[in-house]
Amino acid sequence: DVKVTQSSRYLVKRTGEKVFLECVQDMDHENMFWYRQDPGLGLRLIYFSYDVKMKEKGDIPEGYSVSREKKERFSLILESASTNQTSMYLCASSPTGTRGEKLFFGSGTQLSVL
Amino acid sequence: AQSVTQLGSHVSVSEGALVLLRCNYSSSVPPYLFWYVQYPNQGLQLLLKYTSAATLVKGINGFEAEFKKSETSFHLTKPSAHMSDAAEYFCAVSNQAGTALIFGKGTTLSVSS
Repeated sequence: DVKVTQSSRYLVKRTGEKVFLECVQDMDHENMFWYRQDPGLGLRLIYFSYDVKMKEKGDIPEGYSVSREKKERFSLILESASTNQTSMYLCASSPTGTRGEKLFFGSGTQLSVL
Repeated sequence: AQSVTQLGSHVSVSEGALVLLRCNYSSSVPPYLFWYVQYPNQGLQLLLKYTSAATLVKGINGFEAEFKKSETSFHLTKPSAHMSDAAEYFCAVSNQAGTALIFGKGTTLSVSS
């Protein structure tokens, strides 16, 4: 069974902390994505990566960075967490050239920044 | 730029009634369109997709959607709602480069007995 695994289901951090959200996929997919989900706002794309060490900004990249050193792992980094980054973070992956038909999501990380 | 608009943040139906969730899209290229469902405390899963083949698309759990270019719509329907259909539903469109999905704000479906 295909899997996108996010390392933490719940995370509580303090304002100003550096936060790492980790995502691992076991499907050998080229594309990986980070979205945040907020009530009433749906899913918004933060960053995505279509290859190792490659990244593209999504719609709301401010305050975030990403790292993809290995094909199976895509990390989201909050350099200095703020309360407005409290959200559900969803990782996803897909094979190249599929335009979203084969997008697989992880279960999400609920991040609270206090 | 690509975008989708879901009309109605919350829809309530009775068990056995028709389900209609509305989605309108904006796209500068022929769109790829999707409906995803998120059950409580679960991840997102694909319900159905339109990828320029048949305009009436059938998905899982009895859902279907019709692509109407003239109306720029991709509404989701199910003839008879079940309690288990209660969830949040998201419409999405592939971005112009075909590299990522742009999601709508979601519609929460409630089903009462």
